[in-house]
Amino acid sequence: SAVISQKPSRDICQRGTSLTIQCQVDSQVTMMFWYRQQPGQSLTLIATANQGSEATYESGFVIDKFPISRPNLTFSTLTVSNMSPEDSSIYLCSVEAPGRTQYFGPGTRLLVL
Amino acid sequence: GQQLNQSPQSMFIQEGEDVSMNCTSSSIFNTWLWYKQDPGEGPVLLIALYKAGELTSNGRLTAQFGITRKDSFLNISASIPSDVGIYFCAGLNYGGATNKLIFGTGTLLAVQP
Repeated sequence: SAVISQKPSRDICQRGTSLTIQCQVDSQVTMMFWYRQQPGQSLTLIATANQGSEATYESGFVIDKFPISRPNLTFSTLTVSNMSPEDSSIYLCSVEAPGRTQYFGPGTRLLVL
Repeated sequence: GQQLNQSPQSMFIQEGEDVSMNCTSSSIFNTWLWYKQDPGEGPVLLIALYKAGELTSNGRLTAQFGITRKDSFLNISASIPSDVGIYFCAGLNYGGATNKLIFGTGTLLAVQP
């Protein structure tokens, strides 16, 4: 299975600032995904990121708030912009894997004060 | 966003007991996945199901793809303390424009030694 790392693993940020989360995969993958997991909740898909094209955002998520880059087949970033306490969540990246499955990174725990 | 309903929401059992949990949807899927999330980690894939009626095992875990394609079940036999965590189901309609997972609400499992 693919090995996925995320940076930072956790952060505490002030409201109004932005944080960029990195996701690195040890093999080339076509599709990468970004999820949000609010405290005590399930996972919600933010967007799908394919290399060489604009990310596709789910309802309720917009590019201005969550800009995504996908410069190559092993890397992606998600920026949480102009943060508020409501953005405090775990942010997870995942990659499409054989057998219609997805493998997940360890997540980035964000607390906004 | 859309979520699948999982039940029970939480379970507190004794070591050695068997566990059953299920996941229901208002719409059909062609793939069902079961994940486990440990505290501070990303979800880890346990079992993948691809056909209605399919029964698949992974060690002490057994999962079934419901005949109606709107539900799935996960059983854990002879539970041990390391089974503690949150279990998520996820449905997928593979072959669409984006192969996105829809996650269940989660089942928290606590095992007392």
